[in-house]
Amino acid sequence: GENVEQHPSTLSVQEGDSAVIKCTYSDSASNYFPWYKQELGKRPQLIIDIRSNVGEKKDQRIAVTLNKTAKHFSLHITETQPEDSAVYFCAASGYGAGSYQLTFGKGTKLSVIP
Amino acid sequence: DADVTQTPRNRITKTGKRIMLECSQTKGHDRMYWYRQDPGLGLRLIYYSFDVKDINKGEISDGYSVSRQAQAKFSLSLESAIPNQTALYFCATSDTRTGTGYNEQFFGPGTRLTVL
Repeated sequence: GENVEQHPSTLSVQEGDSAVIKCTYSDSASNYFPWYKQELGKRPQLIIDIRSNVGEKKDQRIAVTLNKTAKHFSLHITETQPEDSAVYFCAASGYGAGSYQLTFGKGTKLSVIP
Repeated sequence: DADVTQTPRNRITKTGKRIMLECSQTKGHDRMYWYRQDPGLGLRLIYYSFDVKDINKGEISDGYSVSRQAQAKFSLSLESAIPNQTALYFCATSDTRTGTGYNEQFFGPGTRLTVL
């Protein structure tokens, strides 16, 4: 089955700096890679996702890059703000009828220091 | 707004007791999932269901059972709870009707279970 490794497990940045979280996956058939944000005491929520037919996707201060050859993808947050403090999870999944489950990384706790 | 809800939100029980956690959704999604979250271990899949007649084991199904009573309801049971089942449990849903083929999942608020 799929295995997703996520690094680092904790990350502290100064407000305004950038943060990068990296994930690797093992199953070359995976082609959907979402990122979830979980604020303290809340449920995980999708913030951005990328599909295998693109190498990069941006949404305001958040971007995700995908390297299918190397089987890794990354989340980039620019101009970090205190409200970005949360746990971030990457995940990988197949496509269509076979995409019945997401395999999650173990999470990265991001702390943005004002 | 359409949502995913879980009951109870918090539960404290004793070793050996039978516990049921319930999940309901008004999103009209066909797929439902149960995850367990432990600190430092991320989200691990316990069971998932494509519809009321289809139940599948996930990564960590031992000690758990599920029931899909209707498209909108998916319950998780611990037949004889043990302390290492203390965790935060999330229900999630996804929708195959979008036609995109990609599995965005929507999570419930979670149930914090403590087994003494």
